[in-house]
Amino acid sequence: LAKTTQPISMDSYEGQEVNITCSHNNIATNDYITWYQQFPSQGPRFIIQGYKTKVTNEVASLFIPADRKSSTLSLPRVSLSDTAVYYCLVGGADNAGNMLTFGGGTRLMVKP
Amino acid sequence: DTEVTQTPKHLVMGMTNKKSLKCEQHMGHRAMYWYKQKAKKPPELMFVYSYEKLSINESVPSRFSPECPNSSLLNLHLHALQPEDSALYLCASSQDFLPLYEQYFGPGTRLTVT
Repeated sequence: LAKTTQPISMDSYEGQEVNITCSHNNIATNDYITWYQQFPSQGPRFIIQGYKTKVTNEVASLFIPADRKSSTLSLPRVSLSDTAVYYCLVGGADNAGNMLTFGGGTRLMVKP
Repeated sequence: DTEVTQTPKHLVMGMTNKKSLKCEQHMGHRAMYWYKQKAKKPPELMFVYSYEKLSINESVPSRFSPECPNSSLLNLHLHALQPEDSALYLCASSQDFLPLYEQYFGPGTRLTVT
């Protein structure tokens, strides 16, 4: 199973770009990389998903190098409301197990 | 409608009580999930239903009993819980179980066992 490793916590300031990296050395050929955001006392919310190269949506960008052993979630110009826990999950196509296993996540604190 | 609803939002129950948590989605999703989340910990999978059949039970104690009456509804029946079962209980759904791409989570039920 592809295990993910993320920094436990990060601090940033309003208006800065934040990059959170996730390592997944054992990613399988058919695995996707998915990121969720969770605010306190709420359910996780899907942010972005990708397979390779770069994916961008209205909220974030996801950068995946050619070897796919890591990925970086990029949040442009963060605000206080981006303070949350961010989870990286790997799997999906034919291995649901990893997509159901949340690692420790990265606790992002955005300061004024 | 891309919403998963959960009721109640908060529940306080004694160790001898029987209660139920309810989850509903109207997105036509065929897979539904129960997770348990303790404070400052990640969500932990409890059960997976796919096409209204129980697909995964993560060795959850029998005092938790899931039920999927139809494709839109998921219940979690609680009986003789322990104080350590106090947690946020999250329901989620996805279009399918395999492949699994995105889960939609409800806001959760905050359960306190006294």
